[in-house]
Amino acid sequence: GAVVSQHPSWVICKSGTSVKIECRSLDFQATTMFWYRQFPKQSLMLMATSNEGSKATYEQGVEKDKFLINHASLTLSTLTVTSAHPEDSSFYICSARDQGTGDIYEQYFGPGTRLTVT
Amino acid sequence: GQNIDQPTEMTATEGAIVQINCTYQTSGFNGLFWYQQHAGEAPTFLSYNVLDGLEEKGRFSSFLSRSKGYSYLLLKELQMKDSASYLCAVMDSNYQLIWGAGTKLIIKP
Repeated sequence: GAVVSQHPSWVICKSGTSVKIECRSLDFQATTMFWYRQFPKQSLMLMATSNEGSKATYEQGVEKDKFLINHASLTLSTLTVTSAHPEDSSFYICSARDQGTGDIYEQYFGPGTRLTVT
Repeated sequence: GQNIDQPTEMTATEGAIVQINCTYQTSGFNGLFWYQQHAGEAPTFLSYNVLDGLEEKGRFSSFLSRSKGYSYLLLKELQMKDSASYLCAVMDSNYQLIWGAGTKLIIKP
């Protein structure tokens, strides 16, 4: 149980275009999902916390107009990178908490999306 | 500020034991996590400690001392597949995970 999927697993896009990444909890409901970014040889950096039915909470330094997050249902959150630039190339990972267990400590990670902007 | 320190890289021999240390300074504490991350993949959960002491789970054990702001992950009977990065993360008072930079573990035959 507690499986999180991401789509696509990798994407290449041209500078200036937008890319949407989906994060789904497959066998549980997630009121809270997290979006991370990881550059090579660096740790995970939390970008934003996404709560179902409300606006996402962005970490300091993350542009909310550039990284659009939508958490429209208990099983789906999307991250859209708008007007992508080469410096946005990174590994984007989502994670989710299982609402049903009431366990606020466990986060289940998706497999990640490798974004390359040319 | 919040800070988590762990060694950048460690090397060990197949079949041996290795201990990866993690020290932390955070605003509040709601537990410490260890994750394993293979290159190009997402982290996978290894352990969670919220009370002082040692938690053993098969070949992996994790220790916590809250008074010292210190934890370690102990890997026994190392296998080549254990070559990965090991991430230490602390959940702060806001239930946010604060991540260390990770320790790259290299296993040699």
